Amino acid sequence: DIQMTQSPSAMSASVGDTINITCRASQGIYNYLAWFQQKPGKAPKRLIYTASALHPGVPSRFSGRGFGTEFTLTITSLQAEDLGLYYCLQHNQLPYSFGQGTKLEI
Amino acid sequence: EVQLLESGGDLVQPGRSLRLSCAASGITFEDYEMSWVRQAPGRGLEWVGLIRTKGHGGSADYAASVKGRFTISRDDSKSVAFLEVISLTPEDTAVYFCSGRPAAIHYDIFAVWGRGTRVTVSP
Repeated sequence: DIQMTQSPSAMSASVGDTINITCRASQGIYNYLAWFQQKPGKAPKRLIYTASALHPGVPSRFSGRGFGTEFTLTITSLQAEDLGLYYCLQHNQLPYSFGQGTKLEI
Repeated sequence: EVQLLESGGDLVQPGRSLRLSCAASGITFEDYEMSWVRQAPGRGLEWVGLIRTKGHGGSADYAASVKGRFTISRDDSKSVAFLEVISLTPEDTAVYFCSGRPAAIHYDIFAVWGRGTRVTVSP
């Protein structure tokens, strides 16, 4: 099974900052990597798919990069509404697996 | 508009069974591989399993943690996916979400989610 190691597990940032969240796969997954944002009590929402493609309607301050085993979600010009939990997901191989999550506080 | 709506969550005693439903609209359901994802209180997301389209064999795959107790099925005529859980334990307490992807577009994973249905297992 593929393990997804996500870091950091939590972070605090200020409005206007740029932050990075990293996911490392235990083996290569090409670019079958998606990023999700989850607000308390809500379902996750997809931000990024195929490692770098922006989901329709997601602000351009969100971006993703990476291939193989190392992936990064970057949020520039952080906004107050960006607080929440962020998860990566690999879907190259079954069983699909999520990272442990990153809690972002503003 | 694509919508997924889960239902069937409840408070149940350990050892009992439950069947959850995921009703889809706005998509050609028979062309979608459907997955279930759960989230225990205060914990992260856990992929539970998926069911393939009939065109891809219609079989299901599961996470090791639930294999043997969870069964995913689908009724394409009603655009509904099901998750049947037997021998429930307190560790199954979670919100259960459904999502999916078009079977022909592997990269288009989990674009839409339902709002989830809550399962609580307690004596």
